Amino acid sequence: EAGVAQSPRYKIIEKRQSVAFWCNPISGHATLYWYQQILGQGPKLLIQFQNNGVVDDSQLPKDRFSAERLKGVDSTLKIQPAKLEDSAVYLCASSSGRSSYEQYFGPGTRLTVT
Amino acid sequence: GQSLEQPSEVTAVEGAIVQINCTYQTSGFYGLSWYQQHDGGAPTFLSYNALDGLEETGRFSSFLSRSDSYGYLLLQELQMKDSASYFCAVGSYNTDKLIFGTGTRLQVFP
Repeated sequence: EAGVAQSPRYKIIEKRQSVAFWCNPISGHATLYWYQQILGQGPKLLIQFQNNGVVDDSQLPKDRFSAERLKGVDSTLKIQPAKLEDSAVYLCASSSGRSSYEQYFGPGTRLTVT
Repeated sequence: GQSLEQPSEVTAVEGAIVQINCTYQTSGFYGLSWYQQHDGGAPTFLSYNALDGLEETGRFSSFLSRSDSYGYLLLQELQMKDSASYFCAVGSYNTDKLIFGTGTRLQVFP
């Protein structure tokens, strides 16, 4: 079974530029999560999708972050414009259930904003 | 609100046993999960407790006391490859999402 795929693995941009991350979850997993993980901290949920609907986006900075999962499969997370404090690893995870304690994470995208 | 506390760092030697504690505060608690993350790697699921007691999976065990809002991860027969960060995460019926702790960095020495 293929795992969660993410791209790119690394990205360096200047502040005020835009960036997009892509995630393909495990086949058949209805729930998809985007997390932000700052060095030395635990993952922080940005947005949670159930199929192509948003379940929770309460911690997504909506003035600059957006995410979509149009066909209920893969997803993109966009930041526009980026700030220095957005430097972090962006992790995508998926699970088979809506309230799942067992999530499968992708390798993440390490974003550096200069 | 929700909060979790776990030690920032734990050290141990190969072959030893180590316990990583996690205390939590959350409304609508439904379970406690544990994840392992190696440097530069993705978090991987280790265990889950919804009911009080001990769950054993090989060298790793996890314990939960709902009345004390407390759990721990027990790692036995430590190996060098166990050096990683370990996160507890609570699930809540109210928010329907996992909240991760800040992680405990385990260093295993030969």
